[in-house]
Amino acid sequence: GQNIDQPTEMTATEGAIVQINCTYQTSGFNGLFWYQQHAGEAPTFLSYNVLDGLEEKGRFSSFLSRSKGYSYLLLKELQMKDSASYLCAGMDSNYQLIWGAGTKLIIKP
Amino acid sequence: DGGITQSPKYLFRKEGQNVTLSCEQNLNHDAMYWYRQDPGQGLRLIYYSQIVNDFQKGDIAEGYSVSREKKESFPLTVTSAQKNPTAFYLCASSIGTSGSDEQYFGPGTRLTVT
Repeated sequence: GQNIDQPTEMTATEGAIVQINCTYQTSGFNGLFWYQQHAGEAPTFLSYNVLDGLEEKGRFSSFLSRSKGYSYLLLKELQMKDSASYLCAGMDSNYQLIWGAGTKLIIKP
Repeated sequence: DGGITQSPKYLFRKEGQNVTLSCEQNLNHDAMYWYRQDPGQGLRLIYYSQIVNDFQKGDIAEGYSVSREKKESFPLTVTSAQKNPTAFYLCASSIGTSGSDEQYFGPGTRLTVT
């Protein structure tokens, strides 16, 4: 079956660094997406990885290892506005997204 | 400004009534999607459409229906056959359906059926 696993909740301190892990099992693979979702709002796109390695975008970076079925999202210099849920989604061979349940990130001052 | 609109933001219905959720996009995207989001679960695909006048069932299509008569519009009807319709419904669109085509989401409609 297809499955995406990520931690339910994480807590970090303002100004620090946090890594949110995601493991995936999909039928075929056409890339891994990360989205940010504030409570009650729409998810917004953060990153897309299809090749192994690290993609950096400002304070956010995303890493992919296809051989391990593993990705992580790295958030640096955490700000209070980064408190949100982070959704990991793998794209299968039919180009459909399989979504994880999301990781709720709590930032403390 | 381009984007996706969903209306209304909150919707209340009695059991046994059909209800239609609106989704409109002015991004000129070919593909549109409907998802359902429940607490503690990932987004689940209800229906998707890659082109006007064509749509496919997703993983949880039972009790739902859609139409795609215009490129901009993809309304979702929640019928009385849907056993547990209370949820947060998200509409999304993408340029196409290839690997890197990110999906853009509307603000969502929270449906409560009592």
